[in-house]
Amino acid sequence: EAGVTQFPSHSVIEKGQTVTLRCDPISGHDNLYWYRRVMGKEIKFLLHFVKESKQDESGMPNNRFLAERTGGTYSTLKVQPAELEDSGVYFCASSVSSGANVLTFGAGSRLTVL
Amino acid sequence: GDSVTQMEGPVTLSEEAFLTINCTYTATGYPSLFWYVQYPGEGLQLLLKATKADDKGSNKGFEATYRKETTSFHLEKGSVQVSDSAVYFCAPSYLNQGGKLIFGQGTELSVKP
Repeated sequence: EAGVTQFPSHSVIEKGQTVTLRCDPISGHDNLYWYRRVMGKEIKFLLHFVKESKQDESGMPNNRFLAERTGGTYSTLKVQPAELEDSGVYFCASSVSSGANVLTFGAGSRLTVL
Repeated sequence: GDSVTQMEGPVTLSEEAFLTINCTYTATGYPSLFWYVQYPGEGLQLLLKATKADDKGSNKGFEATYRKETTSFHLEKGSVQVSDSAVYFCAPSYLNQGGKLIFGQGTELSVKP
């Protein structure tokens, strides 16, 4: 079984530019989560999809961040325009159900904003 | 809101030393409790879990017991190896919050030969 795949693994952009991160969850996993770890701090929740619907987006920092999951398969997280404080590692995770079950994480996408 | 507190790192140990990484969580519910680990250059992996009070999760020689009375889930290993060097994250998951994990800041462990 293929795991959670994230792309790109590392992106370096300048302040003001746009970046789109992609996550391919495990096939059949309806639940998809985005998290972010900034500067070695705690991993913070961004949002949660159930299929194509946003179940919880309480962790999205501001309107420069846009997450989509068209068709309920892969998801994208766009940052536009990027700011210096957006630098960090963005993790995606998926799970079969949204109960107290195990989340499977991708390797993360490291974003560096210069 | 719900939160979790881990002991600060980095923690540096010699091989075969005993490891404890403390973790406490807020008790605004009855969460499931998880430890995830991130090895260098890799993503987060589930290490172990416990879903109810007094449950003990175990894997790869690591153990943690769900202590409801102290709202804790401390991670222990009797004899660490160099290959255990990684960042460890404690994370409760609340059923009424869609199963999302609430992470601590992580504890970096470095094991020297």
